[in-house]
Amino acid sequence: KNEVEQSPQNLTAQEGEFITINCSYSVGISALHWLQQHPGGGIVSLFMLSSGKKKHGRLIATINIQEKHSSLHITASHPRDSAVYICAVRSGGSNYKLTFGKGTLLTVNP
Amino acid sequence: NAGVTQTPKFRVLKTGQSMTLLCAQDMNHEYMYWYRQDPGMGLRLIHYSVGEGTTAKGEVPDGYNVSRLKKQNFLLGLESAAPSQTSVYFCASREQGALHGGYTFGSGTRLTVV
Repeated sequence: KNEVEQSPQNLTAQEGEFITINCSYSVGISALHWLQQHPGGGIVSLFMLSSGKKKHGRLIATINIQEKHSSLHITASHPRDSAVYICAVRSGGSNYKLTFGKGTLLTVNP
Repeated sequence: NAGVTQTPKFRVLKTGQSMTLLCAQDMNHEYMYWYRQDPGMGLRLIHYSVGEGTTAKGEVPDGYNVSRLKKQNFLLGLESAAPSQTSVYFCASREQGALHGGYTFGSGTRLTVV
C-alpha cells in the first residue's frame, strides 16, 4: 500500500467550478507539500503545510494532522489550471526526503 | 534566472551505453535529490546529497551512481543503461533548515533506453 494516496486519480471540470483534490497518508509527517506539473513540463512547488490552512490566489490547501489528510482546493477553475497535482509528505529526520503520491490529473474545459 | 538546471533535456541511449545527467543549482542549497518518474507511479528517490562531498542511497539506487564534488552540482550516472531505466528524471534542491520548506525542481530529463 502506497504511503501517500490521492483521490481522485483523474478529474474533469468545467471552467469556473470549485475543485477539490484529496491526499491521505499513513505515516507520521513533519510537513506535506502540494506540487503542480503541467503536461511535459517541470514540477513547481505550490504549498508546504505542517498545520492549518494556506491560501495563494485561487489555491487553498488545508491539512488535518490528526486525521492524516490534506486537501487542495481551486476556486473559479480555469483551463490553465489543467495539470497534474502531486501530494508529497516529508517524514521526520534531517535529510528532508519526500514520499510522493501518484498525482491527480485535472482537466478544466472551457 | 535562479533555479535548477538539468542537462540534457532529452536523450536516447542504446542498452549498455553509459551517460551522465547533470543537475546544477545556483541557490547555494545544501540538499539535492535525484528522482525518477514513471507512468502510474509517484516520483521515486534514486540518490540524494545533504552537502558537498556526501551522497546517500534512496529507494531505487540500483544501476545508478552519483557524485557531488561541488556544492552546486549533482551528477547522476548510468554505467550500463538498461531499458528499465527509461524514465523521466528530475533533480531537486532544498535549503537546509528552511522553515518555508520549498523544494526547487529542474525541468526534467527524458531518457529512453532502446
